[in-house]
Amino acid sequence: GQNIDQPTEMTATEGAIVQINCTYQTSGFNGLFWYQQHAGEAPTFLSYNVLDGLEEKGRFSSFLSRSKGYSYLLLKELQMKDSASYLCAVVQYILTGGGNKLTFGTGTQLKVEL
Amino acid sequence: GAGVSQTPSNKVTEKGKYVELRCDPISGHTALYWYRQSLGQGPEFLIYFQGTGAADDSGLPNDRFFAVRPEGSVSTLKIQRTERGDSAVYLCASSLGEGSTYEQYFGPGTRLTVT
Repeated sequence: GQNIDQPTEMTATEGAIVQINCTYQTSGFNGLFWYQQHAGEAPTFLSYNVLDGLEEKGRFSSFLSRSKGYSYLLLKELQMKDSASYLCAVVQYILTGGGNKLTFGTGTQLKVEL
Repeated sequence: GAGVSQTPSNKVTEKGKYVELRCDPISGHTALYWYRQSLGQGPEFLIYFQGTGAADDSGLPNDRFFAVRPEGSVSTLKIQRTERGDSAVYLCASSLGEGSTYEQYFGPGTRLTVT
């Protein structure tokens, strides 16, 4: 079966750093995406990891450890606009047709306060 | 350029009715996915198209749900005899190709409410 766990909610202060963890147990692994989703809007791409280690992109970084089934998203210099849901999604390869199915966690609702 | 578009943005229907939800992917994207997102949950995979064919429909909850993509571009998700439990946001996503590194671009979704 598929199991992806993230904290339900987190609160952080503007200007601070926050780390959102994601653990997964899935049958098949072809990478891991992080998406940001503001209320009532579409998820938007933040990062992709397929190899172990840290990927940095501006204020956002994402880390993956495949042996531990663990990833985190690190957000630096938090801004009020970062208040959103952050979705961890494991990529599973679709053998027929070659696509990639995303299995999402429930999302972590981040609230950034003054 | 234009992103993924979905129509209608909101649909309210009565229990037992038939609905169609439309997705226009990004031009040139061969892969198209449908997901369903219930309140407070992450999106849940429904079906994947590569070109015109449904390569994986393992996420469709039952035979009331069907999707087509006749010309390899626009896709329609069809739900027969709707039930209150079908109420959710239906998201469509497209990607450039088959590789895992190809990010999926999501549309704004159709919010379906079954009364």
